[in-house]
Parts: sequence; C-alpha cells; structure tokens
Amino acid sequence: AQTVTQSQPEMSVQEAETVTLSCTYDTSESDYYLFWYKQPPSRQMILVIRQEAYKQQNATENRFSVNFQKAAKSFSLKISDSQLGDAAMYFCAYRSRGNKLVFGAGTILRVKS
Amino acid sequence: DSGVTQTPKHLITATGQRVTLRCSPRSGDLSVYWYQQSLDQGLQFLIQYYNGEERAKGNILERFSAQQFPDLHSELNLSSLELGDSALYFCASSVGSAGQPQHFGDGTRLSIL
Repeated sequence: AQTVTQSQPEMSVQEAETVTLSCTYDTSESDYYLFWYKQPPSRQMILVIRQEAYKQQNATENRFSVNFQKAAKSFSLKISDSQLGDAAMYFCAYRSRGNKLVFGAGTILRVKS
Repeated sequence: DSGVTQTPKHLITATGQRVTLRCSPRSGDLSVYWYQQSLDQGLQFLIQYYNGEERAKGNILERFSAQQFPDLHSELNLSSLELGDSALYFCASSVGSAGQPQHFGDGTRLSIL
C-alpha cells in the first residue's frame, strides 16, 4: 500500500521569505500523480500544485514550486515570497491509477509578520 | 469556489442515529470521492463512484454506504452512529481520468453527542 510521510508537523516562515515543506512517499508503481493541497482555517481543501510522475520537469504555479525527486520518492513544496494568506495546513497527496488520494499527516505553516 | 457543493455544512446528532450527507459534483465531473477527516485518523479515502457505479473502496465501515444517482450527485449514508464517527466529511469530484485533480467541497462537519 502506498504511504505518504510529512515529517514536519509544523513550520514557521517570516513574511516575504521562502519556506520548503517536505514530503516522501512509498510506492511500487511507476505511473502516479502527486499533489499539494492547502487547508486554511476555513477547512476548505484547496489544490495548490500537481506533478505527474512521468514528467521530469518540476511543476510551478506562481510562488509555489515543487522539487520532485522520483528515485528518492521525495516531493517537497517551496513557497517563495511567503504571504500571511499562506498560513494553513498543507497536505501532500499521492494518487495512483486507482484514483484515490492517499494523504500525509499534514504540516501546519505559520507565517510571521 | 471549487464548484463542488456539500450539504449540510454542519450536522449534530446522537449515537445510534442515521444521517445522509449530500454532494453535488462540479459540472461535467463524473467521479465523486468521499473522504473522512478526523483528528486521530487524518484524511482517509472512503469510497469512489464513477458515472453511477462504485469504482473503489477505502477504509469505509460497513455501517456506511454511498451511492451516485443518474444526475451524478452522491449521498453518503452513515448509520448506527458512534462517537468516533465525529469528523469532517469531504466530497471531491474530478472529470474521471487518473491525472485530473480532485476538487473538494467545503465539507460537512458531523458531531455525534
């Protein structure tokens, strides 16, 4: 079974600085997708970014980018120019062709002004 | 706004009761997924429907059941409720293919007294 591990229960970053959230996963599959979701205090689940495993190029969405290391099974999220609105719980998720999402335990990100 | 609608937003009931949670997917999405988010179990996949048929099952209890109707909305039925069923229940939808991201509704907060 696939597992997703987020080893940082909580992270802090100064406004305008850069922070990286870590995620590792375990799978025997070669074809899969990885996602980062953001859950603010409102409890909504908001898609931040996604990565196809067959693509070597790291995904980027504005201030959000990933460092995808397939051999190491690592999928970290980098947030540049952090803003107060980035404060939230961030979940790393794995999705195989079976379609279900397997989530990590989450990382709480605090942004200091 | 993700386009996924969940009702009700909050539900308070007692042990032993039965409740129904409703989800309307985004327009055009054929797949519906149900997830449970609790403090002790984190975010867990329950079940997936695709175009009216059950496609995948996760950690869904036998007391829980779901269905997807011809108009593609879905209902999650929880019966013989226990205190441990208190959680945030999310519905998500996607077009259907494995690579498409899932978009989440705002969730239904279920509290068992």
